[in-house]
Amino acid sequence: QKEVEQNSGPLSVPEGAIASLNCTYSDRVSQSFFWYRQYSGKSPELIMSIYSNGDKEDGRFTAQLNKASQYVSLLIRDSQPSDSATYLCAAFVGQNFVFGPGTRLSVLP
Amino acid sequence: DVKVTQSSRYLVKRTGEKVFLECVQDMDHENMFWYRQDPGLGLRLIYFSYDVKMKEKGDIPEGYSVSREKKERFSLILESASTNQTSMYLCASEPSGHGYGYTFGSGTRLTVV
Repeated sequence: QKEVEQNSGPLSVPEGAIASLNCTYSDRVSQSFFWYRQYSGKSPELIMSIYSNGDKEDGRFTAQLNKASQYVSLLIRDSQPSDSATYLCAAFVGQNFVFGPGTRLSVLP
Repeated sequence: DVKVTQSSRYLVKRTGEKVFLECVQDMDHENMFWYRQDPGLGLRLIYFSYDVKMKEKGDIPEGYSVSREKKERFSLILESASTNQTSMYLCASEPSGHGYGYTFGSGTRLTVV
């Protein structure tokens, strides 16, 4: 099993809907998780971090961590076409962060 | 505003050339990283450094070396460029402690012909 896994997508949602992006992780992963957004041709930019079980909200973004089921999610409320990007999940393993392959999100006008 | 600056946005080099990719951060971060990103393979760690003059191999160090003579600068060196090193190269930095997330540079798209 890879340490951090994501569905590559594409995930398509209509404008204004909630986009739900998921990430699962292995036993080797420590309990620090980050979500990055990467627009096509650009570098990743940090959106959110989460360390504790439960939800963490920041504007239209909510990160959810479920340690028992070993998954972390990112919810984007009121999705906009400008949210169309690849979303990378990163988890701390050993000495450094390991990135998932990313999920491509497409928000349709 | 914090910044990680990579010296070149696009580079084209010939097979066998020695290639230097430069990365400078102005945030006084201790930790610096070099990744390459390829379609279908995601982000792969090449080398990292937690301090000046310190370097550690990542997952794919073969064919690369690094230099960190000053805290703010982390250089990636391709000793003898090959076509399979054509890729997007991303530099990142973070404060010590791993709890803050990375700040990435804008990337260097390297093509080896």
